[in-house]
Amino acid sequence: DAKTTQPNSMESNEEEPVHLPCNHSTISGTDYIHWYRQLPSQGPEYVIHGLTSNVNNRMASLAIAEDRKSSTLILHRATLRDAAVYYCILQGDDYKLSFGAGTTVTVRA
Amino acid sequence: KAGVTQTPRYLIKTRGQQVTLSCSPISGHRSVSWYQQTPGQGLQFLFEYFSETQRNKGNFPGRFSGRQFSNSRSEMNVSTLELGDSALYLCASSLGGTGRQSDGYTFGSGTRLTVV
Repeated sequence: DAKTTQPNSMESNEEEPVHLPCNHSTISGTDYIHWYRQLPSQGPEYVIHGLTSNVNNRMASLAIAEDRKSSTLILHRATLRDAAVYYCILQGDDYKLSFGAGTTVTVRA
Repeated sequence: KAGVTQTPRYLIKTRGQQVTLSCSPISGHRSVSWYQQTPGQGLQFLFEYFSETQRNKGNFPGRFSGRQFSNSRSEMNVSTLELGDSALYLCASSLGGTGRQSDGYTFGSGTRLTVV
C-alpha cells in the first residue's frame, strides 16, 4: 500500500486557517488523495478528495503539489468543532482506504 | 437523506461465540466497506463489496467474513470470537462503480464489540 506521512499533532487558534501537510512520495499515477476526519466516538467523516488538481468544497480546500508527492488540507477558518483526528489517505485501484495514524488537530478558543 | 446505519451500536459477546453485524448504506450507494478500529492498530480495512461481490479483502483471518444483499445492505460475521476482536467496527458506503472515478465514503457510527 502506498503510504502517507503526517505530523502527529497541530494546534490552531479559532477563526485562523489551518494547513495540514501530508507526504505521499510513493503515490502512483492513479491513486486518489482522500482526507477524512474523526471526532471522538464517531466514525470518520469525509472531508475532500482529489487526483491532480486543487479542489475546494464547503468544508475545506485541497492543494496538491505538481509532482503529487505531497498535499495540504486547508481549513480556512478553524472552529472548535474542527478539533479532530485528520487522516490523509491514498486510494488505489483496490477501492480500499489505508488509514495511517493521522494528525490530531487542537483548536484553541 | 439518511446516513449509513449500523446495528447494533453496542455488543458484548463471550470468547468462542460468533457475531453478526449489520450495515445499511445510503440509498443508491452500491459499495460497502468494513473497517476495524482499535487503539493499537488504528483503522484497518476488512473487505469491500459491490453489487453483492467481494472486490477486495484485507489481511484478516478467515474467521472474518461478510456478504452483501441485493438491496446493498451488508453483514459481517466473526466466528470463534477472541479477546483481540474487541473493537469498533465501522461500515462505509459509496456510490462505487467500475470506472476510475473515485467518490467519497460515508461512514456509519460503528458497532462497539466487546469480547469477554
